[in-house]
Amino acid sequence: GNSVTQMEGPVTLSEEAFLTINCTYTATGYPSLFWYVQYPGEGLQLLLKATKADDKGSNKGFEATYRKETTSFHLEKGSVQVSDSAVYFCALPISGSARQLTFGSGTQLTVLP
Amino acid sequence: EPEVTQTPSHQVTQMGQEVILRCVPISNHLYFYWYRQILGQKVEFLVSFYNNEISEKSEIFDDQFSVERPDGSNFTLKIRSTKLEDSAMYFCASSEGGQWGELFFGEGSRLTVL
Repeated sequence: GNSVTQMEGPVTLSEEAFLTINCTYTATGYPSLFWYVQYPGEGLQLLLKATKADDKGSNKGFEATYRKETTSFHLEKGSVQVSDSAVYFCALPISGSARQLTFGSGTQLTVLP
Repeated sequence: EPEVTQTPSHQVTQMGQEVILRCVPISNHLYFYWYRQILGQKVEFLVSFYNNEISEKSEIFDDQFSVERPDGSNFTLKIRSTKLEDSAMYFCASSEGGQWGELFFGEGSRLTVL
């Protein structure tokens, strides 16, 4: 079945630093790929998604490109802010179902002022 | 902004006891889900629910688990006889529908089984 492997955390950066959180996947076909974010005390929220190969998802300054050659969907942001401190989850549908998601283990990001 | 709400935020129970976790999905959503995350592990799919019946479930969702939509607003997860390994954060989610519909998650209910 489909699976995702996410960069281990935690990650600590200074404000305005460049962020990369690695995510690689194993999948049958080319399913949609997602990044979810969980801010402290809140539920998981969809951050961005890409529905086909070579698509770039973007939101709130974050970007991720669906790369089938490297089976990757790395999350990037050019200049992080303290308010970006959260846990980030890479996800994709479990084989055969768009609504069953399998998640990565999550990466805790802390941005220091 | 509409949101998914879950209660309780934290429940402590003795092994063997029944637990009911409650969720109020977003009102116009058609699909409802439960996921869980054991501490230090991945978020795992448990079950999806549509049109008043289970549409998909994982291997984790055995006979000890059940879901119900008792009225027009609530969606519940019942664990009949809790085990130590049921200790986890349980997330409810809902979506409008459509193949790639966004899932909206609640804040989670932390269950601790002693």
